[in-house]
Amino acid sequence: GPKVLQIPSHQIIDMGQMVTLNCDPVSNHLYFYWYKQILGQQMEFLVNFYNGKVMEKSKLFKDQFSVERPDGSYFTLKIQPTALEDSAVYFCASSRDWGVEQYFGPGTRLTVL
Amino acid sequence: AQKVTQTQTSISVMEKTTVTMDCVYETQDSSYFLFWYKQTASGEIVFLIRQDSYKKENATVGHYSLNFQKPKSSIGLIITATQIEDSAVYFCAMRGNQGGSAKLIFGEGTKLTVSS
Repeated sequence: GPKVLQIPSHQIIDMGQMVTLNCDPVSNHLYFYWYKQILGQQMEFLVNFYNGKVMEKSKLFKDQFSVERPDGSYFTLKIQPTALEDSAVYFCASSRDWGVEQYFGPGTRLTVL
Repeated sequence: AQKVTQTQTSISVMEKTTVTMDCVYETQDSSYFLFWYKQTASGEIVFLIRQDSYKKENATVGHYSLNFQKPKSSIGLIITATQIEDSAVYFCAMRGNQGGSAKLIFGEGTKLTVSS
């Protein structure tokens, strides 16, 4: 199926530092998403992004989080500053349209020390 | 509030058999979309199959099919002729249709182990 890429696969940082997670969505997709999965638990929605704007965000999307997609480049999730509870796997997803299935990247495992 | 529940934590089957995984959901939306994904041992999340609530026919893709029982708010996943490589964690997910929300709400997952 369509491929979403994520860079890096694993990031280790110290608490309080800034981190940027990068996502390369499927090329003709217009809707972008971030989800968070703590080890062994279900995936939880963070945010979705369309036409340069945040369309919806959950309570997990704290003020320290931001997303953007400068023209033609990665869809990014920035966390500044990081906290211990931000340790998780972050999955990027994209979809062609609003109501259809989302395709997920392989995830970035973030470890905050 | 919307919620998705998968009560089976894990299932073990022999290969070439049929397995059914349960999922129930809660929503106030009159129309909604239901999905099944699998997460492999490497962590990759793969879209499997989708059911639109307004469709009465059960969706089928390859050896995956759905048992959609709308009055029971239930969407079971059926895998026929299971293979070793079907071993994974299977997640049920729902997307509502109100307020422009596109977020997926996931269940807890069911770990499937297929043995030879």
